[in-house]
This record gives sequence, structure tokens and C-alpha cells, in this order.
Amino acid sequence: DIQMTQSPSSLSASVGDRVTITCRASQGIRNDLAWYQQKPGKAPERLIYAASSLQGGVPSRFSGSGSGTEFTLTISSLQPEDFATYYCLQHNSYPRTFGQGTKLEIK
Amino acid sequence: QVQLVESGGGVVQPGKSLRLSCAASGFTFRSFGMHWVRQAPGKGLQWVAVISYDGSSKYYADSVKGRFTISRDNSQNTLWLQVNSPRAEDTAVYYCAKEDTVLVPDYWGQGTLVTVSS
Repeated sequence: DIQMTQSPSSLSASVGDRVTITCRASQGIRNDLAWYQQKPGKAPERLIYAASSLQGGVPSRFSGSGSGTEFTLTISSLQPEDFATYYCLQHNSYPRTFGQGTKLEIK
Repeated sequence: QVQLVESGGGVVQPGKSLRLSCAASGFTFRSFGMHWVRQAPGKGLQWVAVISYDGSSKYYADSVKGRFTISRDNSQNTLWLQVNSPRAEDTAVYYCAKEDTVLVPDYWGQGTLVTVSS
């Protein structure tokens, strides 16, 4: 099975900050990676798929990059509604596997 | 718009059975694969299972293989997850999710809570 290692597990930042979250795969997964945002008590929402394709309706301050084993999610200028937990998911092979999550908190 | 509504959760005793349902609308259900993903209280997301658009292919997480069964009825726009011999560690909110053409979950339901307890 492919293991996804996400870092950091938590992050404190301020409105307007630039933030980067990383996911590393235990083996190469091409660009088969998605990013999700989850707010407390809510279902996850997809932000990015195929490593860098922005989901329709998602603000352009979100961007994804990477291929192979290392991937990043960047939020260029944090907004109040961005404080949430973020997960990566590899969609290269089964079983699908998520990263452990990154909780983004207000500093 | 896409709507996914899970039901069937509740309290179940260890070793008993439970069937979760997911009613789909707002898209052509028979054209897309469907996933189950779960989240234990206060924990991260865990992928559980997937079924192809026509039901011919199914894959499971190792932790549920042999105990859970995913199925679908395209005439009823419904997805199911049969949960057999549940354990305490199966306690979680269970989400159904539609996948898109690159086989990635895009839309999710609101989830149904399963609590395994005697």
C-alpha cells in the first residue's frame, strides 16, 4: 500500500499569510494526488485534483504542485474562512490512502 | 446539483450487522464509481471501499476486507455498505462520495455516524 506522509500536522498562521502544506508518497504516484478541506462537523470539499488542477469554484489563492513523491498545497493569502483541516489523497492505486491531515489554526 | 444522503447509522453491538445506504441524485448515478470513506471521532479521514460505475469492480481497505461489502443498484440510484462483525474501531462517521472521471472523490454526503458498543 502507498503511505502518504503529510506535514506539518498543525500550523498556526495569520490572515494574509502564505502557507504551504506538504505530502510525501512512499512511492511514485505520478500526479495522482488530490487535496481536500474539511471544516468542523462538515464533509470534506475537494480543492485540487491531479496535483495541480483547481476544482471549479475554489478561489485562485489555492494552488497545488508536485509529481512523483512530493506534493504541496499553497494558500497564497490566508482568509478567515481558510482555517480548517486539510488532507491529501493519492488516487494512483488501491487502496486509496489519505495523509494524516494538517490543522490550520489562527495565530 | 449533486446530492448524496447517507442513512442507516446508529448504535450496533460488536459482532452484529448494519447496512448503510447512500441515496444519490443530481447526476447520472450509473456513470460514476462511488466510494465510502470514514472518520473516527477526532481523527483523520480513512478510505474504506470503492465500487465501479457498473458494480463489476470493488476494492477495500485491508482493515475492512472480508467484513464489509460495498454494493449498488443503478435502477434505484443507491449505494450500500454492509457492515458485518463490527468492532469498536469501526466507530466513525461514514461518508459516501461520488468519483469523477479521474477516479477521485469529488462530491461527498453529510455522513452517518456508526457507533459500535455493547
